[in-house]
Amino acid sequence: AQSVAQPEDQVNVAEGNPLTVKCTYSVSGNPYLFWYVQYPNRGLQFLLKYITGDNLIKRSYGVEAEFNKSQTSFHLKKPSALVSDSALYFCAVRDSNDYKLSFGAGTTVTVRA
Amino acid sequence: DAGVIQSPRHEVTEMGQEVTLRCKPISGHDYLFWYRQTMMRGLELLIYFNNNVPIDDSGMPEDRFSAKMPNASFSTLKIQPSEPRDSAVYFCASSLGQGNYNEQFFGPGTRLTVL
Repeated sequence: AQSVAQPEDQVNVAEGNPLTVKCTYSVSGNPYLFWYVQYPNRGLQFLLKYITGDNLIKRSYGVEAEFNKSQTSFHLKKPSALVSDSALYFCAVRDSNDYKLSFGAGTTVTVRA
Repeated sequence: DAGVIQSPRHEVTEMGQEVTLRCKPISGHDYLFWYRQTMMRGLELLIYFNNNVPIDDSGMPEDRFSAKMPNASFSTLKIQPSEPRDSAVYFCASSLGQGNYNEQFFGPGTRLTVL
């Protein structure tokens, strides 16, 4: 069985401050981990993923996520948040032996100007 | 690429009516997924297909729900008869196989309201 927990329903930060969205997972095999973002009235958009290799995954627009096997975590981070980062963020996990993705409940991020 | 296309974007119907949701996956993708999103239950996987064949429909809530994929470029999710508790946003997503580490691409969703 596989599952994902996002312990915070909401995260509020001021613009320019660092942003962290937490995610922990449970799988029986090797984890494939994903972050998605959803803006109002839109579908989910893929942000980044961890399959293997470097534990720190970086994207060009400053978003990154760190895989920690011992803590079974995959937290999303952004060093300097923007108001436009306000959205609903989903963490998802897939066991390496399965095609089904399990999503967390989502974390609403609000960045205030 | 146009991305995953879903229609209609909004559907309002009365209890007991048949509802059909449509999805066109990204060309070349061989996996297609149907999800339902509600405030209470979050994002739930209903069913997924591989090469037009249903692989896992364990998430389909009841016999009132059915899904088909007659060809690689089209899928439908049908609810008959519809009930108010079916009100939700329904998403279709597709991905390219060749290893299950590929991300899924989501459509814009269909917001269903059953009165």
